Amino acid sequence: DGGITQSPKYLFRKEGQNVTLSCEQNLNHDAMYWYRQDPGQGLRLIYYSQIVNDFQKGDIAEGYSVSREKKESFPLTVTSAQKNPTAFYLCASDPGRGRLGQETQYFGPGTRLLVL
Amino acid sequence: GQSLEQPSEVTAVEGAIVQINCTYQTSGFYGLSWYQQHDGGAPTFLSYNALDGLEETGRFSSFLSRSDSYGYLLLQELQMKDSASYFCAVVHNFNKFYFGSGTKLNVKP
Repeated sequence: DGGITQSPKYLFRKEGQNVTLSCEQNLNHDAMYWYRQDPGQGLRLIYYSQIVNDFQKGDIAEGYSVSREKKESFPLTVTSAQKNPTAFYLCASDPGRGRLGQETQYFGPGTRLLVL
Repeated sequence: GQSLEQPSEVTAVEGAIVQINCTYQTSGFYGLSWYQQHDGGAPTFLSYNALDGLEETGRFSSFLSRSDSYGYLLLQELQMKDSASYFCAVVHNFNKFYFGSGTKLNVKP
């Protein structure tokens, strides 16, 4: 089955610690995204990537970093500089700019990050 | 900048029709999408409008007026399983998506 997987489902971070959230897709999509969702709120864009080895900052990139070394993988690192990281993190993908179905995003199941 | 406005909460009874409105202010508008999210779950795509008018998909329909920067999602024959949050999202020219804060729909028996 094609889809997007995220791991872990729950993640605990200690003060001053960097943590990495995994996102993998086997949909052969060019574009991938990371969103943050706080309780009762909408989705805010952290980073996005339209193609391998390229990515752009979204609206709330401070304290986060990403890499896109492979088409199917887009890991997100929450650094110690992110002072309020507790949230639900969602990874998404779509076929990419100019491709059929580009307007539809497919989401992974999410990772819930909690600070100890 | 980008901004989207939608009601925070709507309540309706099973079998009824409900409309969730969305107004937006944005540059580089490409289209308007709608997503459904159940508590604790991931958003799932419902509908997309690039042109003015109504798009129908089963019990769900979505409408767009580009001149009014306005759209809505119409849910017919409401079922208990439709209780969820519904988000409108602007599709930006460069393939970025901006989401509204969501409308929590409560369906009552």
